[in-house]
Amino acid sequence: GAVVSQHPSWVICKSGTSVKIECRSLDFQATTMFWYRQFPKQSLMLMATSNEGSKATYEQGVEKDKFLINHASLTLSTLTVTSAHPEDSSFYICSTPGLAGGTDTQYFGPGTRLTVL
Amino acid sequence: QKEVEQDPGPLSVPEGAIVSLNCTYSNSAFQYFMWYRQYSRKGPELLMYTYSSGNKEDGRFTAQVDKSSKYISLFIRDSQPSDSATYLCAMSENSGGYQKVTFGTGTKLQVIP
Repeated sequence: GAVVSQHPSWVICKSGTSVKIECRSLDFQATTMFWYRQFPKQSLMLMATSNEGSKATYEQGVEKDKFLINHASLTLSTLTVTSAHPEDSSFYICSTPGLAGGTDTQYFGPGTRLTVL
Repeated sequence: QKEVEQDPGPLSVPEGAIVSLNCTYSNSAFQYFMWYRQYSRKGPELLMYTYSSGNKEDGRFTAQVDKSSKYISLFIRDSQPSDSATYLCAMSENSGGYQKVTFGTGTKLQVIP
């Protein structure tokens, strides 16, 4: 399966600061990447679909000005949580579609745990 | 009502037991059905993937889909302590050219040595 990495794996920040999370596909080029958020004991919720060279598509209820997504290359997508608040503390996970291009078999990164104090 | 319902558990079984994990769903448009395993503080790992009713076997794992009942299951035979994790069911439907995936809340499984 595809190898997806995320950096950092864990970040703690003060309220009001911005945090950038990187998602890299290591062994293939991904024109599409997905960003999920997972609160404790809850399911993964799709936040947005990141498209290389174009604007991301956000799910209903997700503030695009707060969660800035940049997909500048075929191997890198970044999620920036701007002016983070404690309620943004969560586990953020990115994924890429399967190698055959199907979005049904996604390969997930290891996740980034964000704690906002 | 959630589109995908999954018992969160936790489910504790002795080593060697057969484990049955289940999900129900309400959206008839779901086409693909997946099971993911997620260890604590890690990203989900795809275990099984199927798109039709029936059974699919892979080693100790068997995925079962019953579209008429909107019910899917994952069976784990000869369970091992290393199987202890959270198991997420997931289903996808065609949405604007993508397969939009909806996840269950996950069932936490503990296999006791």
